[in-house]
Amino acid sequence: AQSVSQHNHHVILSEAASLELGCNYSYGGTVNLFWYVQYPGQHLQLLLKYFSGDPLVKGIKGFEAEFIKSKFSFNLRKPSVQWSDTAEYFCAVNERNNDMRFGAGTRLTVKP
Amino acid sequence: GAVVSQHPSRVICKSGTSVKIECRSLDFQATTMFWYRQFPKKSLMLMATSNEGSKATYEQGVEKDKFLINHASLTLSTLTVTSAHPEDSSFYICSANDRIYSYEQYFGPGTRLTVT
Repeated sequence: AQSVSQHNHHVILSEAASLELGCNYSYGGTVNLFWYVQYPGQHLQLLLKYFSGDPLVKGIKGFEAEFIKSKFSFNLRKPSVQWSDTAEYFCAVNERNNDMRFGAGTRLTVKP
Repeated sequence: GAVVSQHPSRVICKSGTSVKIECRSLDFQATTMFWYRQFPKKSLMLMATSNEGSKATYEQGVEKDKFLINHASLTLSTLTVTSAHPEDSSFYICSANDRIYSYEQYFGPGTRLTVT
């Protein structure tokens, strides 16, 4: 079955540490890939997306993600996290039929 | 950017009553709207997909008679939870596709439903 997997349920980091959140999917065809962030008490916001082209995608707030087709992965990275990055992060994948599937989410806690 | 609103943001209702949640695209026309349910500490679960003027397509395991979806216009979709039970308490989120950039979804702020 098609699925999206996020490896880490809860990540705790200190400020200025580097971040990498894993995301793998099992879709076989052409996909669009997304990372969303949900800050406490707020709605989902798009961090970045990949449709085609350069597999290294830069998003808002210093985040980036790399699409590695051979590994079916789309990991999210940030070189130096801030306390304000504390949030829930969701990887999402959709195929051309527009059905979007979400990973289980990763809670990031950044300690000041 | 594209904005999607939901109303109400929070609602408390008694068991057996029905609750309607509205989802509006404010500055664009939405070809398709989606309804999700978010469980505590879990991901978003797609409930149904609705296209303007046609019947919604429900995901497996979602009761269409319980979760009524109406997509009356290109800017409005409604989800009605009928005969609500405490287990229906959840966070319901809608999203919408921009008509042109159809692969991207814009999310509403969600509606917290509590059934007592």
